[in-house]
Amino acid sequence: KQEVTQIPAALSVPEGENLVLNCSFTDSAIYNLQWFRQDPGKGLTSLLLIQSSQREQTSGRLNASLDKSSGRSTLYIAASQPGDSATYLCAVRGGGSQGNLIFGKGTKLSVKP
Amino acid sequence: GAVVSQHPSRVICKSGTSVKIECRSLDFQATTMFWYRQFPKQSLMLMATSNEGSKATYEQGVEKDKFLINHASLTLSTLTVTSAHPEDSSFYICSAKISGRVYNEQFFGPGTRLTVL
Repeated sequence: KQEVTQIPAALSVPEGENLVLNCSFTDSAIYNLQWFRQDPGKGLTSLLLIQSSQREQTSGRLNASLDKSSGRSTLYIAASQPGDSATYLCAVRGGGSQGNLIFGKGTKLSVKP
Repeated sequence: GAVVSQHPSRVICKSGTSVKIECRSLDFQATTMFWYRQFPKQSLMLMATSNEGSKATYEQGVEKDKFLINHASLTLSTLTVTSAHPEDSSFYICSAKISGRVYNEQFFGPGTRLTVL
């Protein structure tokens, strides 16, 4: 059974710092991996999607990497801003293109001005 | 990007009543919609998958008679929590997959906070 773990559970950094969020998964047979952002009491916003054949994806100050063989992904946020404060969720899709998304519990990020 | 809406955003009800939550894909057709449940500081847990025009597929441990799902059109799915009890209080989020999209990217609604008194 696929399990997704995110470390740390919470992170507080000063504004301007670069930071890395970690995601690990137990079954390397994934179809793709997505990083989401969730603001308090809100739904999910998709940030980046990495297909199993890809190593990384970039969008603005965000860079996500994928090492399928070791079951790891990282989300790198450059030059963090207070507006980046949110919970970041990692989810993997297994079982082919029709598989379900399995979510981690998230990392709650707080960027202090 | 694709937009998914949910209504209502927040609902408070008495124990024993039924509550209906709507999920709409606003600018695309969604053959498949998903319903998730999220408890505080926990992961999103998939409750059921619904395909337009057919019965929903429920995850293990989810009571299909309690959580009624209808996916009558390509843009609307509803979740009805029947005879709600305080333990049903949670954050319910729907998601939709765009028909024919290669990477099966899912788009999520803003969620509905259900509080059962």
